[in-house]
Amino acid sequence: DVKVTQSSRYLVKRTGEKVFLECVQDMDHENMFWYRQDPGLGLRLIYFSYDVKMKEKGDIPEGYSVSREKKERFSLILESASTNQTSMYLCASSLQGVYNEQFFGPGTRLTVL
Amino acid sequence: EDKVVQSPLSLVVHEGDTVTLNCSYEVTNFRSLLWYKQEKKAPTFLFMLTSSGIEKKSGRLSSILDKKELFSILNITATQTGDSAVYLCAVPGNVPSAPYGGSQGNLIFGKGTKLSVKP
Repeated sequence: DVKVTQSSRYLVKRTGEKVFLECVQDMDHENMFWYRQDPGLGLRLIYFSYDVKMKEKGDIPEGYSVSREKKERFSLILESASTNQTSMYLCASSLQGVYNEQFFGPGTRLTVL
Repeated sequence: EDKVVQSPLSLVVHEGDTVTLNCSYEVTNFRSLLWYKQEKKAPTFLFMLTSSGIEKKSGRLSSILDKKELFSILNITATQTGDSAVYLCAVPGNVPSAPYGGSQGNLIFGKGTKLSVKP
């Protein structure tokens, strides 16, 4: 079974703090993704990576950065957290190509005060 | 702009009812369409559709794609309270700068249909 894990289920941070969200997958998937999910807006892609050290901006990259130093790990960084980044963050991974489904982690609910 | 539109946004039914969820899409280069079910946590994969008119089936759930009219439906028969969830539809988007013609599997999601099944 594919397993995608995220470092925290719940996280509370203060405005201006630097926040790291970690995602690890154990199935040697090339692709990894970070989404945020908000009521009424659905799942929106922040960044994704199709290889180590490669990254692509998604639909809403502003205020975020990512790091992929190892194939199994994809980190999302909020350089200076703001209240409008309070959300559910979901990580996913998949094999290369468009005919492979994405497998999701359990999510991190981040609250920025 | 690539987009996915789901309807209805929410639906309340009683156990035993049959429901049909709709997903329409506009995408530059269609490759596949995926359905996911999301309960309280992570979305879980249901179906991937690539060809028109071929029904995919899993228990009481089934789905079909119409590439001419650019939509898909997800049917659930004899609904149960455990079917209560948000159902998500998605299509792969294009990333021109990525290798393999941009076909990297990044997904564009609809906003989902929230299904509530009452006992």
